[in-house]
Amino acid sequence: AQTVTQSQPEMSVQEAETVTLSCTYDTSESDYYLFWYKQPPSRQMILVIRQEAYKQQNATENRFSVNFQKAAKSFSLKISDSQLGDAAMYFCAYRAYLNTGTASKLTFGTGTRLQVTL
Amino acid sequence: GAVVSQHPSRVICKSGTSVKIECRSLDFQATTMFWYRQFPKQSLMLMATSNEGSKATYEQGVEKDKFLINHASLTLSTLTVTSAHPEDSSFYICSAIRGQGANQPQHFGDGTRLSIL
Repeated sequence: AQTVTQSQPEMSVQEAETVTLSCTYDTSESDYYLFWYKQPPSRQMILVIRQEAYKQQNATENRFSVNFQKAAKSFSLKISDSQLGDAAMYFCAYRAYLNTGTASKLTFGTGTRLQVTL
Repeated sequence: GAVVSQHPSRVICKSGTSVKIECRSLDFQATTMFWYRQFPKQSLMLMATSNEGSKATYEQGVEKDKFLINHASLTLSTLTVTSAHPEDSSFYICSAIRGQGANQPQHFGDGTRLSIL
């Protein structure tokens, strides 16, 4: 079974600074997807960024980028120029690729609570 | 963008009551929907995978008779918590996948906070 581990229960960053959230996963599959989701106090799940395992290039979305190390099974999230609105729970998630073409379930990590200070 | 509507957003009811939560994909067809449960300060735990026109697939440890799932159309899945008790109090979130295909992202509803007195 796939597992996702987030070893940092809480992180803090000053506004305008950069922070990196860690995520490791375990899988025997070669094709899969990785995601970072943000859950603010409203508890809405917001997709931050996604990475296809077959792509070597790290995904980026504006201030958010990932460091995907497939051999090490590591998928960290870097937030640059942190803003107060970035404060939230961040979940790393894994989804297998099924060659049947059907969607598979997401496996979430335990989350990292990010605080942004002035 | 894809929108998933979940209703109600909050419900408070007495022990022994059955509660139905709806998950609708508003602007796309969803052959697959997922139901998650989230305890305070914890991660999302998948309860079941709901497939249109067929029986739901439940995760290990989730009681099928307790949490009834119906996916009668391509835009609606319902989760019914039968004879709810205080330990069923939690935050329930659904997600839907547009169409078919492993590459399609999941779109989440805003969740339902269930409180059983």
